[in-house]
Amino acid sequence: GAVVSQHPSRVICKSGTSVKIECRSLDFQATTMFWYRQFPKQSLMLMATSNEGSKATYEQGVEKDKFLINHASLTLSTLTVTSAHPEDSSFYICSAGPGLGITAEGTQYFGPGTRLLVL
Amino acid sequence: QKEVEQDPGPLSVPEGAIVSLNCTYSNSAFQYFMWYRQYSRKGPELLMYTYSSGNKEDGRFTAQVDKSSKYISLFIRDSQPSDSATYLCAMSANNFNKFYFGSGTKLNVKP
Repeated sequence: GAVVSQHPSRVICKSGTSVKIECRSLDFQATTMFWYRQFPKQSLMLMATSNEGSKATYEQGVEKDKFLINHASLTLSTLTVTSAHPEDSSFYICSAGPGLGITAEGTQYFGPGTRLLVL
Repeated sequence: QKEVEQDPGPLSVPEGAIVSLNCTYSNSAFQYFMWYRQYSRKGPELLMYTYSSGNKEDGRFTAQVDKSSKYISLFIRDSQPSDSATYLCAMSANNFNKFYFGSGTKLNVKP
C-alpha cells in the first residue's frame, strides 16, 4: 500500500517550453501533496504544499508563476514548469500523505521522481 | 542554525556491521519522526516512523527518539551491501504539516 507514482520519469525539453509532471497516489487518498526539488548530492528542498481544491502554498524563493501547481483531486497533483530554462534542470519529487485511513499520521510517501533536463 | 542536523558522511562499514545514523533537531514541537532510504536517482522510501518518544523495531532496523535531548537514531543490524544508500531523517510538528529533512547520510556497506 501507499504507492505514489510520477509521470514522466524523465523529460528533456528545449528552453522556453513548458513541462507538466503528474503525481498520483495509486492506492490511497491524500488531502496534501508536496513538491520537492533535489540537486545532486543534496537533500530535498520543499517547493510547495498542495491541498486538494485550494491554492498551493509556496516556499520562500519559489516563483509560483513559474512552477504552477494544480491539485484537482485527492489522488492527483500536477506541477507545470513554465518557460523552462537550463537552470530549472533538476530532479523533481512529489510526496503524498498521510493517506486517509490508510497510512499513519504524519507520514509522507514519495514518488520515484522526475528528472528534467532543459537544453 | 538549521532545524535538523545530520552528518552527511560518507559512512563506510564492512558487511555485517551495526550501523548507527543520527540526527539532532532544535524545534521542540516536532512530534513525528521518520527515516527514509534513498537510492541514487530514486525517490525516498519510508523505512521507519515514530510518533513522539521511544523505540521502534522492524526487522534489522531500530529507530530511537529522545525528545529530551532532541536526538533521533536509526540502527541497522547485520548491514548488507544492499543497504548502501543515502539515509534521510525527517520530522514534522503536526499531521499534514511540512517535513524538515536532514541533509542525508551516505552509507556504503562493503562486501
